[in-house]
Amino acid sequence: AQKITQTQPGMFVQEKEAVTLDCTYDTSDQSYGLFWYKQPSSGEMIFLIYQGSYDEQNATEGRYSLNFQKARKSANLVISASQLGDSAMYFCAMSPPGGSYIPTFGRGTSLIVHP
Amino acid sequence: DAGVIQSPRHEVTEMGQEVTLRCKPISGHDYLFWYRQTMMRGLELLIYFNNNVPIDDSGMPEDRFSAKMPNASFSTLKIQPSEPRDSAVYFCASRPKTFGEVETQYFGPGTRLLVL
Repeated sequence: AQKITQTQPGMFVQEKEAVTLDCTYDTSDQSYGLFWYKQPSSGEMIFLIYQGSYDEQNATEGRYSLNFQKARKSANLVISASQLGDSAMYFCAMSPPGGSYIPTFGRGTSLIVHP
Repeated sequence: DAGVIQSPRHEVTEMGQEVTLRCKPISGHDYLFWYRQTMMRGLELLIYFNNNVPIDDSGMPEDRFSAKMPNASFSTLKIQPSEPRDSAVYFCASRPKTFGEVETQYFGPGTRLLVL
């Protein structure tokens, strides 16, 4: 079984600063995918970034990057130059092998960006 | 392009009543997912369809829940009879067919259900 752990219930960051949201996972599979989603107060789930377990380079999407450390089984999300609009819940998720890409979600981390 | 459409956005009902949630996936997407989100259990996958066929319904909590996808552009999630513990946000999501690469799963805005 796969498990996602997000230990930070809440994080605070100053506008324009960088912030790291932690995610660790547990799986015995060699092939898997890792995702991050953002859920603002309006409620929708927004896909941010994806990392495949065999990808050697860390994924990046604009201000988002995924710090993938396979040996440590961690997939932290780094948001650079935080903006007020980044305030939201952030969910880490993992998908099983076989290309099915059906994620199992962590419990989420609340991020508040201060002006 | 329109995203995933869900209706109603909010539903308040009384225990024992039937509730029907509706979803229109993005045109051309082969996969459709129903999720439930609560504070206690987080985001849970209830069921998903591929080309209108239910593939995995192991997440459906009990027989009171049922889901259908009569065609590629419409799906329903029905709860009968509803109970207060069914109160949650229900998300529908869709995704195109994968061809060996990751395809993004697109979520609808969700339906907030409150069962009194």
